[in-house]
Amino acid sequence: SQKIEQNSEALNIQEGKTATLTCNYTNYSPAYLQWYRQDPGRGPVFLLLIRENEKEKRKERLKVTFDTTLKQSLFHITASQPADSATYLCALSTDNFNKFYFGSGTKLNVKP
Amino acid sequence: ETGVTQTPRHLVMGMTNKKSLKCEQHLGHNAMYWYKQSAKKPLELMFVYSLEERVENNSVPSRFSPECPNSSHLFLHLHTLQPEDSALYLCASSQDGAGGNIQYFGAGTRLSVL
Repeated sequence: SQKIEQNSEALNIQEGKTATLTCNYTNYSPAYLQWYRQDPGRGPVFLLLIRENEKEKRKERLKVTFDTTLKQSLFHITASQPADSATYLCALSTDNFNKFYFGSGTKLNVKP
Repeated sequence: ETGVTQTPRHLVMGMTNKKSLKCEQHLGHNAMYWYKQSAKKPLELMFVYSLEERVENNSVPSRFSPECPNSSHLFLHLHTLQPEDSALYLCASSQDGAGGNIQYFGAGTRLSVL
């Protein structure tokens, strides 16, 4: 099975700075990599998807990169705001019938 | 609102009880999932249904029994659970079972087994 590593320590940054979260994986390269946001007491909410043949994807203040050589994805939030404080999960999947593997998430705290 | 509704939101049960978790999706999706989320651990995929047929069962103990009567509803029947089964149980749906599909999650049921 796939092993996914996300920094288990919380990331604390100042409002207005860029937050960068890391997702590393072992074993095979996934066909798709997704990032989700989870707030306390709620289910994860989809943010971005990137395919294995894509290097970078952007959506408003969010940017995801995917390096299949390093087996790593980086998730960036530019001009961060306190409302961005949450836990961010990365998820990997293949073309096969729904093998979804989630990381344990990284908690982001954006201080005003 | 994500379009996926789970009930109840909180459940406390003894080890000898039988209870059921319910999930309903209003998105017209064809695939539904049950996940278990324990503190500091990744989401664990328990069951996957596509077009009401179970296609994935990740070695889940038999004390968890899923049921998918139609593509909009999913149940998780619980019996003789253990304290270590206490966790957040999340339901999700996606358009179909293809790997690139986005998953839409409910808010979860917080289960405590005494």
